[in-house]
Amino acid sequence: QVQFVQSGTEVQKPGASVKISCKASGYSSPIYFIHWVRQAPGHGLEWMGWVNAGDGVPQYSQKLQGRITITRDTLSSTGYMELTSLTSEDTAIYYCTGGPTPYNLDSWGQGTLLTVSS
Amino acid sequence: QSALTQPASVSGSPGQSITVSCAGTINDIGTYNLVSWYQQYPGKAPKLIIYEVTKRPSGISSRFSGSRSGYTASLTISGLQPEDEADYHCCSYAGGRACVFGGGTKLTVL
Repeated sequence: QVQFVQSGTEVQKPGASVKISCKASGYSSPIYFIHWVRQAPGHGLEWMGWVNAGDGVPQYSQKLQGRITITRDTLSSTGYMELTSLTSEDTAIYYCTGGPTPYNLDSWGQGTLLTVSS
Repeated sequence: QSALTQPASVSGSPGQSITVSCAGTINDIGTYNLVSWYQQYPGKAPKLIIYEVTKRPSGISSRFSGSRSGYTASLTISGLQPEDEADYHCCSYAGGRACVFGGGTKLTVL
């Protein structure tokens, strides 16, 4: 099963951007889907988008379209999620997750806390 | 507002069975047999416990089972144990959106 290790805690000011990384290990299939999911304090999970690790084609939630970019680097087996124009409503724990199909989130990273505050 | 509707909380005593519902629409649960369930302990990442409505990943107890009827999916936990106390999240594929989540359900074991 794949293991994901994410980058550390982030503190950003409103209007800034953030880029979180997620290093994957332990998978052999070239077809793998890396998703990003976030969880605001005291709230449920929100799907943000995915990237097909094989061809690099992303898909984003309509809510975040225009502010989010999800990429991957095949050489380092690392996924990235960049979010721009941050507001306090983006304060959340961000998880990378994924699996061999686009529908099932088999493995999860440890989460990255993002705090947006002036 | 979440795309899928779950009860905010459910509770049960050890040994009992409980069911968590997850109501969707024709655009998600009603069309796709691609509902998954995740267990999450406080301060921890979620964990997949049911996928494709009824299937269990390796290592997940048979006490966890899933089903679907119409636009509603359900997670049943039988023989409730204290360690089952956690939050449970449902997710459905919805065409252009890979995963629409419910708001999550807090399970309390009395």
